[in-house]
Amino acid sequence: EVQLVESGGDLVQPGGSLRLSCAASGFTFHYYWMHWIRQTPGMGLAWVSRIKSDGTFIEYADSVRGRFTISRDDAKNTLYLQMNSLRPEDTAIYYCVRGSRDWKGIDYWGQGTLVTVSS
Amino acid sequence: DIVMTQTPLSSPVTLGQPASISCRSSQSLVDTDGNTNMNWLQQRPGQPPRLLIYKISNRFSGVPDRFSGSGAGTDFTLNISRVELEDVGIYYCMQSTEFPTFGGGTKLEIK
Repeated sequence: EVQLVESGGDLVQPGGSLRLSCAASGFTFHYYWMHWIRQTPGMGLAWVSRIKSDGTFIEYADSVRGRFTISRDDAKNTLYLQMNSLRPEDTAIYYCVRGSRDWKGIDYWGQGTLVTVSS
Repeated sequence: DIVMTQTPLSSPVTLGQPASISCRSSQSLVDTDGNTNMNWLQQRPGQPPRLLIYKISNRFSGVPDRFSGSGAGTDFTLNISRVELEDVGIYYCMQSTEFPTFGGGTKLEIK
């Protein structure tokens, strides 16, 4: 069974930093692209970043480029999102999502972790 | 960015009756390989989104056959043949031809 378990969400002040983790199990992690997608009540769902299976290609949404860094540790089956210079508009539930191998898209979602940026 | 526009915002449906949700993309979703990367997601209350349909009309693993997708180019539809109580939630269209973008969601509720 595919499982994606996020952790690291917290309350942080504007300008602060946070690192999210996503522990993957139930599949061969290093075969898959991985994504971070966030959700807010006001702005809905928004893709944040993705990383290729071998880590050689990385892409970010304009809203986070230069502040967030995605990475992966295949030995630990773990995906990360380092978030710096956080802003109130980064407040959201952050989901770890697996990219599909059989079509150009995504398939399994984690339960999410809540990041709140507020003073 | 490809903009996804869903209608309606809300859909009250009687149990056992059909439901239909539309989605329009701001540009064609046909990819360079000929595939159309149009997807539908379901989010039940208190749950993360889950994939229902990929590449217009393919049901993902475990998705009941009362769910079906159709469309081409820029116009797509999700149909539920007979709505059940467990179908209550918010439905999102999502394109993955470019980096993923999502529709604003359609809330399915029971009359």
